[in-house]
Amino acid sequence: QLQLEESGPGLVKPSETLSLTCTISGGSIDNSNDYWGWVRQPPGKGLEWIGSVSLSGRTYYGPSLKSRATVSVDSSRNQFSLRLTSVTATDTAVYYCARHKQVLFFDYWGQGTLVTVSS
Amino acid sequence: DIQMTQSPSSLSASVGDRVTITCRASQGISNSLAWYQQKPGKAPKLLLYAASNLESGVPSRFTGSGSGTDYTLTISSLQPEDSATYHCQQYYRVSLTFGGGTKVEIK
Repeated sequence: QLQLEESGPGLVKPSETLSLTCTISGGSIDNSNDYWGWVRQPPGKGLEWIGSVSLSGRTYYGPSLKSRATVSVDSSRNQFSLRLTSVTATDTAVYYCARHKQVLFFDYWGQGTLVTVSS
Repeated sequence: DIQMTQSPSSLSASVGDRVTITCRASQGISNSLAWYQQKPGKAPKLLLYAASNLESGVPSRFTGSGSGTDYTLTISSLQPEDSATYHCQQYYRVSLTFGGGTKVEIK
């Protein structure tokens, strides 16, 4: 059974960079049909897709965060990562990593990690 | 971007009731729609994809239908464990977007 787990700081200061890693277990990141993505959910609000990356490094981003987000993959570690620059309080959210076939629906999700932006 | 509008934003129903949630896209999405169930403090769980295809392991009381811009998720006989928030997501355009969610409570 494929499992994903997010890791990274739970507290980030305003204007700094948020960095999260998703580690995959029970399966491999080495499938050319898979994309690996990040979705976030501010407290009490809906879901927002941030961006996704393929094994080959091809990336897609949602428009609202495209200028600040970078998603990358490290197949040697079976991991992929998110960097979000210049964060503000509005970036406070639970961040989920997830898998999707091509760039479609998400079929496997991590448990999510809360990141709070505060000084 | 394709905007996804869910209705209602919340509902309360009794065990055994038939429940319907609607998702409307701002343009046609050719059945490129998924539904997720999310319980408090948990990650979303895929229920259906391609508007009506049931994900493996999901109870058959969950069904999806629709075409063009309008889609529905139906729970044929609401169970206590169905108390959750339900989200739709379009994948017709690569700029993936979700609906605002529908919270389903048990009376």
